[in-house]
Amino acid sequence: AQSVTQLDSHVSVSEGTPVLLRCNYSSSYSPSLFWYVQHPNKGLQLLLKYTSAATLVKGINGFEAEFKKSETSFHLTKPSAHMSDAAEYFCVVSLYNNNDMRFGAGTRLTVKP
Amino acid sequence: DTEVTQTPKHLVMGMTNKKSLKCEQHMGHRAMYWYKQKAKKPPELMFVYSYEKLSINESVPSRFSPECPNSSLLNLHLHALQPEDSALYLCASSQGLSGSQYEQYFGPGTRLTVT
Repeated sequence: AQSVTQLDSHVSVSEGTPVLLRCNYSSSYSPSLFWYVQHPNKGLQLLLKYTSAATLVKGINGFEAEFKKSETSFHLTKPSAHMSDAAEYFCVVSLYNNNDMRFGAGTRLTVKP
Repeated sequence: DTEVTQTPKHLVMGMTNKKSLKCEQHMGHRAMYWYKQKAKKPPELMFVYSYEKLSINESVPSRFSPECPNSSLLNLHLHALQPEDSALYLCASSQGLSGSQYEQYFGPGTRLTVT
């Protein structure tokens, strides 16, 4: 079975400072990992995905994430936060060739002016 | 076109009503999904269709009835709902079944309120 834990339910940063949203996963096999963002009352938008290619994955809007197998982590980062980044972020893990996708509980990112 | 559309955006229904939610995608995706999302929670998977056949039903009550008329459309028929069914209902699609490299594309959702 696989699962995903988002270590912070809420992260608050100032505009222009770095963002770090933490995600640890548990999987018996090689996982696929995704980060999605959800703005209020909107659907989910894919930020980036890892599917066993490069361990450093670049996504949209300046976000990137690094897959670290030894630490079972897939943390999301951005060098400089923008006000428009304020949203809910979900880390998702799934097994290759298995339809079982597991969402983390979510991290709410607040960006202060 | 990487868009999944959902109608209506908002729906208010009584517990004795029958209504339907609609979802459409034109990306040629062969897997489609219904999720339920309560406030401040992650989406919960309800149903998965693969090649227009129901692949997964996550023990959803029978008052929710999915239908996939063709590869582009997905409906969710609602009947005799309870107030606790009030939530954001999200539709998603993917090129193949998720769990491999296929990401899901989500629609904007239908905000359902059961009175």
